[in-house]
Amino acid sequence: DTGVSQDPRHKITKRGQNVTFRCDPISEHNRLYWYRQTLGQGPEFLTYFQNEAQLEKSRLLSDRFSAERPKGSFSTLEIQRTEQGDSAMYLCASSRTGTGVSGELFFGEGSRLTVL
Amino acid sequence: GEDVEQSLFLSVREGDSSVINCTYTDSSSTYLYWYKQEPGAGLQLLTYIFSNMDMKQDQRLTVLLNKKDKHLSLRIADTQTGDSAIYFCAESSSGTASKLTFGTGTRLQVTL
Repeated sequence: DTGVSQDPRHKITKRGQNVTFRCDPISEHNRLYWYRQTLGQGPEFLTYFQNEAQLEKSRLLSDRFSAERPKGSFSTLEIQRTEQGDSAMYLCASSRTGTGVSGELFFGEGSRLTVL
Repeated sequence: GEDVEQSLFLSVREGDSSVINCTYTDSSSTYLYWYKQEPGAGLQLLTYIFSNMDMKQDQRLTVLLNKKDKHLSLRIADTQTGDSAIYFCAESSSGTASKLTFGTGTRLQVTL
């Protein structure tokens, strides 16, 4: 399978704990995106990388959230001191600039976070 | 900021046409998209339209864009049970799709 993969698929944690999600994009894709989706809502943009550079961050991304893509391949999204409001599906997507349909993001299946 | 709205639910009979509607507020949107989300699967791009187009047809899918009213619709002809999913309208004003703004999604239920 050469699609976008995310790990873990589901994480249950207690309030105040730290969690980290990993995303492996499609190998030739230079852009990587993180979105958050809560129940009954559409995905909301969090941040995106072009290669290893983080080019844009949403105001939704508080100081407790940090994302990295150190070598321009996989990315991690860490949430520190989790709160119940952080419970959501965290979606990763990737794309390749200059080819294909502009705006065609390839999404992973998501990492569901439940904060108790 | 940008806002994209959709109705929450649509039920159609197999074989009928489905029309899913979307309104958006960002007049600088350059691309508009329809994504499909099936249970347990990632979102998948169905089709898209450039803002300088009025209509785009792709097999059973027809996209209509009314830029004046900022209204986008997706028509699925001969709807099948396999079309049951959540459909998201999305827009990008960046031109390079660095950030998409999604609607809340419309759940399409296809009945026999």
